[in-house]
Amino acid sequence: EIVMTQSPATLSVSPGERATLSCRASQSVSSNLAWYQQKPGQAPRLLIYGASARATGIPARFSGSGSGTEFTLTISSLQSEDFAVYYCQQYNNWPLVFGPGTKVDIK
Amino acid sequence: QVQLVESGGGVVQPGRSLRLSCAASGFTFSSYGMHWVRQAPGKGLEWVAVVSYDGNTKYYADSVKGRFTISRDNSKNTLYLQMNSLQAEDTAVYYCAKELSRGTLDIWGQGTMVTVSS
Repeated sequence: EIVMTQSPATLSVSPGERATLSCRASQSVSSNLAWYQQKPGQAPRLLIYGASARATGIPARFSGSGSGTEFTLTISSLQSEDFAVYYCQQYNNWPLVFGPGTKVDIK
Repeated sequence: QVQLVESGGGVVQPGRSLRLSCAASGFTFSSYGMHWVRQAPGKGLEWVAVVSYDGNTKYYADSVKGRFTISRDNSKNTLYLQMNSLQAEDTAVYYCAKELSRGTLDIWGQGTMVTVSS
């Protein structure tokens, strides 16, 4: 089973600042990597798939990059509604595996 | 609009069974793979199982293999998760989710809580 790790566990950012979240896979997942956002009490929301493609309705301030084992989610200018937990997920192999998450909170 | 609504959660004793349902609307249910994902209280997301659009292919997480069964009824636009031999570690919010493409989950339900406790 592929193991996904995310760093940092918590990221404290001021509104308007840039946030960079990292995700690493224990073996290559090619570009089969997705990012999700989850707010308290809500279901996850798909942000990015194919490592860099934005899902429908996702603002352009969210961008994804990487391939193989190293991936990055960048939020170019944090808005108040972006403070949440972010999960990466590989879908190159079964079982699907999520990373442990990065919590983005207000600095 | 596209919607998934889970039901069937509740409190159940260890060793007992429970069946979750997920009613889909607003899209052609029979064209998409469907998943169950769970989240223990205060924890991260754990993928549970997937069923292909036609019900013929299924995969499971090792943690539930042999105890849980995923199925679907395309005539009723409904996804199911039969959970047997429940354990305390199965306590979680269970989400159903629709595939955008293989392994990417673009539509999620609101979740249903399952608590396994004596």
